[in-house]
Amino acid sequence: DAGITQSPRHKVTETGTPVTLRCHQTENHRYMYWYRQDPGHGLRLIHYSYGVKDTDKGEVSDGYSVSRSKTEDFLLTLESATSSQTSVYFCAIRATSGDPHNNEQFFGPGTRLTVL
Amino acid sequence: DQQVKQNSPSLSVQEGRISILNCDYTNSMFDYFLWYKKYPAEGPTFLISISSIKDKNEDGRFTVFLNKSAKHLSLHIVPSQPGDSAVYFCAASAIQGAQKLVFGQGTRLTINP
Repeated sequence: DAGITQSPRHKVTETGTPVTLRCHQTENHRYMYWYRQDPGHGLRLIHYSYGVKDTDKGEVSDGYSVSRSKTEDFLLTLESATSSQTSVYFCAIRATSGDPHNNEQFFGPGTRLTVL
Repeated sequence: DQQVKQNSPSLSVQEGRISILNCDYTNSMFDYFLWYKKYPAEGPTFLISISSIKDKNEDGRFTVFLNKSAKHLSLHIVPSQPGDSAVYFCAASAIQGAQKLVFGQGTRLTINP
């Protein structure tokens, strides 16, 4: 258990409304990530953070923004939700050790978002 | 442009036999590879990883093999157990830097009694 929680776990919203998903970690990991999972695509990276206020884009960042004002929280915002953003969203943290061959990512339980 | 591919959407194996899941990649910059297991309504669970300095890594019933020249990796599970029934994802990244994982599409493994 990597101490990762996501909220909400389920959300239904309407097209055009803003939505914020929260990822919370308890172990002060530097790196945090947001992925989305869709059938036929596996998981795809949306944004990631490498420290407080330090974020960068991933593979599918259009329509999403992120913020990290505290080490433990990483927020994903859909400014104006669209039906194509219906997905399951996973947050991850990266366990870091002195050995770069041992720095796996651990995932939260996911948020299922439906945009009608 | 799929940089990581799992060409078998599903695999069915008898309990006690070996399960072999395959993954191919195209990006030569990838030097760190991971396998995750996912049950429905849960997040992916890390299984095993391998870096490009090795060609094999073993952890209990799980072994990952890496063939760099073929840009191919495989996960062997032996013996297969009913609890191994899940979706398996391979993922790849560069070992240095931000570790931006690129995932395959997943293979659904079913272990039959």
